[in-house]
Amino acid sequence: NAGVTQTPKFQVLKTGQSMTLQCAQDMNHNSMYWYRQDPGMGLRLIYYSASEGTTDKGEVPNGYNVSRLNKREFSLRLESAAPSQTSVYFCASSPYRQVLVHFGDGTRLSIL
Amino acid sequence: KNQVEQSPQSLIILEGKNCTLQCNYTVSPFSNLRWYKQDTGRGPVSLTIMTFSENTKSNGRYTATLDADTKQSSLHITASQLSDSASYICVVSAHNNNDMRFGAGTRLTVKP
Repeated sequence: NAGVTQTPKFQVLKTGQSMTLQCAQDMNHNSMYWYRQDPGMGLRLIYYSASEGTTDKGEVPNGYNVSRLNKREFSLRLESAAPSQTSVYFCASSPYRQVLVHFGDGTRLSIL
Repeated sequence: KNQVEQSPQSLIILEGKNCTLQCNYTVSPFSNLRWYKQDTGRGPVSLTIMTFSENTKSNGRYTATLDADTKQSSLHITASQLSDSASYICVVSAHNNNDMRFGAGTRLTVKP
């Protein structure tokens, strides 16, 4: 089983460019999440989707949009990238919220 | 102030030695506490999950303890191996919402 798959693994953008981070899970989980991880800080929730068809803002949603395309896929879009969005982005999934969460291996994003 | 504080920030030990990592939290009302291991360049992987009624839980050489009265948890690693080199993250969830609060992690280095 692949678990949670994120693409791309690495990306460099220029300020103002847009891009979409892709995430797919093959565990039939209802809930999916996007986090960012910055040095010296805990993972912070950007957006989550409790179930197919729903999305909600997390702790740090500004500058991001999400789409829950179907039960398997949850994408994160940066419309106009800023240097402050340089980070490692993790997608995760769980059967329901508050239950064990499975993480992908991250997308390392640098914005110049 | 982060609701989950971990100490130490980093730790270096010799292979074969034991170590204990600490997690203090203020998240309330408490639902569960999880310890994750994050290898460099990878996503976090769950080690243990503990609920209010559990004081101790083991997973191989990893033993987690929980004192819900003092809001403290520890992760004890016995007979460390080089492969234990990683960041260890404490995550606490509250009952009244779906938030998971992440500690910044302890970076453990095991040297031969």
